[in-house]
Amino acid sequence: EDKVVQSPLSLVVHEGDTVTLNCSYEVTNFRSLLWYKQEKKAPTFLFMLTSSGIEKKSGRLSSILDKKELFSILNITATQTGDSAVYLCAEYNNNDMRFGAGTRLTVKP
Amino acid sequence: NAGVTQTPKFRILKIGQSMTLQCTQDMNHNYMYWYRQDPGMGLKLIYYSVGAGITDKGEVPNGYNVSRSTTEDFPLRLELAAPSQTSVYFCASSRPRNIQYFGAGTRLSVL
Repeated sequence: EDKVVQSPLSLVVHEGDTVTLNCSYEVTNFRSLLWYKQEKKAPTFLFMLTSSGIEKKSGRLSSILDKKELFSILNITATQTGDSAVYLCAEYNNNDMRFGAGTRLTVKP
Repeated sequence: NAGVTQTPKFRILKIGQSMTLQCTQDMNHNYMYWYRQDPGMGLKLIYYSVGAGITDKGEVPNGYNVSRSTTEDFPLRLELAAPSQTSVYFCASSRPRNIQYFGAGTRLSVL
């Protein structure tokens, strides 16, 4: 069965710290890997990665995919309290999307 | 900008009752999905649809049914609700093999 594993499960940091969230996957027919941020309600889209080694950036967030080693990382620099959320990673294969359990990030002032 | 709209936002059911969770999207997306999210867990796919008239099972379909008579609507039916179905339910839609957009969720408790 396809698996998506995220680590760590939870993380507490202080404002200004840099964090790295990990996502590994074991899937057949891999098409893309997506990162979502989930605060109180619906997940909101952050990145979609389909090619190995190409970093995607959006402000203080960036992500990269390694298709050979089957993992992706999400980096957040200069964290702020507003970054506190659950970060979900999901792999997309054909019509199906499988989610990891998420990393709960807490950023303290 | 409506996007994906789910109703109701909250519901409490008694064991054995039935209900339908509504989902509608106005983005003309072919693909629609239903997920459930249990506390501290990721999303599990219940059912999905690649177009009107076509539905398929996901990881956890037991106890649920869906229909897709139009592009816009993808209702999820619970028959004979059980406590194990207490969860938050999310509907999503996308273009083929593309970013999924999520509704705000329905929080369901079965007591």
